[in-house]
Amino acid sequence: GAGVSQSPSNKVTEKGKDVELRCDPISGHTALYWYRQSLGQGLEFLIYFQGNSAPDKSGLPSDRFSAERTGGSVSTLTIQRTQQEDSAVYLCASSLWGNLDSPLHFGNGTRLTVT
Amino acid sequence: GDSVTQMEGPVTLSEEAFLTINCTYTATGYPSLFWYVQYPGEGLQLLLKATKADDKGSNKGFEATYRKETTSFHLEKGSVQVSDSAVYFCALSDRKGGSYIPTFGRGTSLIVHP
Repeated sequence: GAGVSQSPSNKVTEKGKDVELRCDPISGHTALYWYRQSLGQGLEFLIYFQGNSAPDKSGLPSDRFSAERTGGSVSTLTIQRTQQEDSAVYLCASSLWGNLDSPLHFGNGTRLTVT
Repeated sequence: GDSVTQMEGPVTLSEEAFLTINCTYTATGYPSLFWYVQYPGEGLQLLLKATKADDKGSNKGFEATYRKETTSFHLEKGSVQVSDSAVYFCALSDRKGGSYIPTFGRGTSLIVHP
């Protein structure tokens, strides 16, 4: 079946512009996660959704970052007034239940470059 | 808070060599442990997992045993192949409030030469 789909795969934007990154999870997966992967760094947790609600937004680096999920499916991560330090690969993952031993299924990521 | 520490890479081996990638963790609860693999140009995918102490996860010739006493989950393979060249991530899933948020290590790059 279809895996997690992210778009765009690459995005180059100018400093100060807003960007929207999209994630289409595996159908039926209730939990959705956004992570950020910078060069030489591990995966930095950003936000988690269970259904349409976000019980944990603790990883969002600043108030320029926001995310929503609609219909228990597609999620959008928005970065306003982008800065060069926002350049990274943004990864989306989904899991069936979001419980202790549910593995994550990852998309291929969106590589964001802020010039 | 929770954290995962992996050995620094890259790890460079010849084909058929024995592989160990060390992983240790700190967690406030009783986590589940995972290894994920990222092949070149692909997304991360689950390699194996273990959910309680002394469990051994295994897949594709890779193994890791959940050692609670040493808080470790080292990845091993007896004979690596060129196709195993990838980045390997150790991760734990622990309860934070009512949520389970996986925490990842920095990843270890493995390069296998013919």
